[in-house]
Amino acid sequence: DAEITQSPRHKITETGRQVTLACHQTWNHNNMFWYRQDLGHGLRLIHYSYGVHDTNKGEVSDGYSVSRSNTEDLPLTLESAASSQTSVYFCASSERRTGREGQFFGPGTRLTVL
Amino acid sequence: AQKVTQAQTEISVVEKEDVTLDCVYETRDTTYYLFWYKQPPSGELVFLIRRNSFDEQNEISGRYSWNFQKSTSSFNFTITASQVVDSAVYFCALSEWNYGQNFVFGPGTRLSVLP
Repeated sequence: DAEITQSPRHKITETGRQVTLACHQTWNHNNMFWYRQDLGHGLRLIHYSYGVHDTNKGEVSDGYSVSRSNTEDLPLTLESAASSQTSVYFCASSERRTGREGQFFGPGTRLTVL
Repeated sequence: AQKVTQAQTEISVVEKEDVTLDCVYETRDTTYYLFWYKQPPSGELVFLIRRNSFDEQNEISGRYSWNFQKSTSSFNFTITASQVVDSAVYFCALSEWNYGQNFVFGPGTRLSVLP
């Protein structure tokens, strides 16, 4: 069955370190998204990609970067982790840009920055 | 700009009660999609329903029903005869066809169903 996986599921790191969160989907979707979830804010879009070599900034992109070298993967990098980036991160994919069929979400990565 | 408001932060009900979760949205687009997602205590996000802006028919799926009213920009979700397993955070989301083309989520409503 097609799915989205994220790794690691839990990560503890120190302020200033570079961290990369992996996202891999087997839906063969062109569209992939990264969100962060914080209490009281719901899910906020960090970056998204509509295809290989395409990346776009979302609502809360500062301090994050992504690259898309193939259809299946969209890794999220925190260049220099800050305590404000402690959050739960979700990766998602969709068949259409409009997401009219909905987005499929990975299980999430809980990141703690000390 | 697109925006989704879920004014109810937390709701507690006793099992078998009916409960309605409110969702109000803002959009400048004439074509858009509305969604509800469930996030149980285990943390995953589960897709529940999608509705497009041209279809105002209410929908019922078992104990779940959705009331879409364009006149009030609302897409409310009702659980009939609630069960403990319905305890979760529920998110309403909006996706526009012509603008942004990305999902905007509401802040979520935490529903606790007590036995």
